Amino acid sequence: GAGVSQSPSNKVTEKGKDVELRCDPISGHTALYWYRQSLGQGLEFLIYFQGNSAPDKSGLPSDRFSAERTGGSVSTLTIQRTQQEDSAVYLCASSRTVSYNEQFFGPGTRLTVL
Amino acid sequence: AQKITQTQPGMFVQEKEAVTLDCTYDTSDQSYGLFWYKQPSSGEMIFLIYQGSYDEQNATEGRYSLNFQKARKSANLVISASQLGDSAMYFCAMRDAGNMLTFGGGTRLMVKP
Repeated sequence: GAGVSQSPSNKVTEKGKDVELRCDPISGHTALYWYRQSLGQGLEFLIYFQGNSAPDKSGLPSDRFSAERTGGSVSTLTIQRTQQEDSAVYLCASSRTVSYNEQFFGPGTRLTVL
Repeated sequence: AQKITQTQPGMFVQEKEAVTLDCTYDTSDQSYGLFWYKQPSSGEMIFLIYQGSYDEQNATEGRYSLNFQKARKSANLVISASQLGDSAMYFCAMRDAGNMLTFGGGTRLMVKP
């Protein structure tokens, strides 16, 4: 596809359950980012991957959050034991390299924790 | 400390008029980039314009221009000839040494017909 894709588009889960969110970056983009946007708020950085380097996890809010990127392409963000405050839109972005100016965003996954 | 500040939570502008959306930033890095993104009600984040800290000219992209005042640490977005489709949330963001984007709280722009 031409753009960044994310799945699912919407996820409703119960408190305490684990969820996995998927991101397919633009083909050939080596940098991949995860952001979170809570209701009415700006975007909060979570984690980024650059090629085969160790990811920058400095934005992850707790150890319940983790992410991996397989084969330098698809990424999965996992939230364990979800809490209501995890409800947000999770946005993925990719860029050609980590220093490239423009980050292309996916449509996001809206997570609702009941 | 807040790195990106957008002081206008909401703005109205008359169609065909120009509007300026404010953004101030804080960084001790010499090399950094400033971005503006548009987020319509559909939720997608659309890149509008980029300004590098070493760029001497203000960036322009069609009806968008970035009024970069380095000494004041401001990077205001100017939209000329507003259109109804410009109604959206606008986010200012900065990339410094950390490589990730830090976003401001956003400004909701509403264009009146």
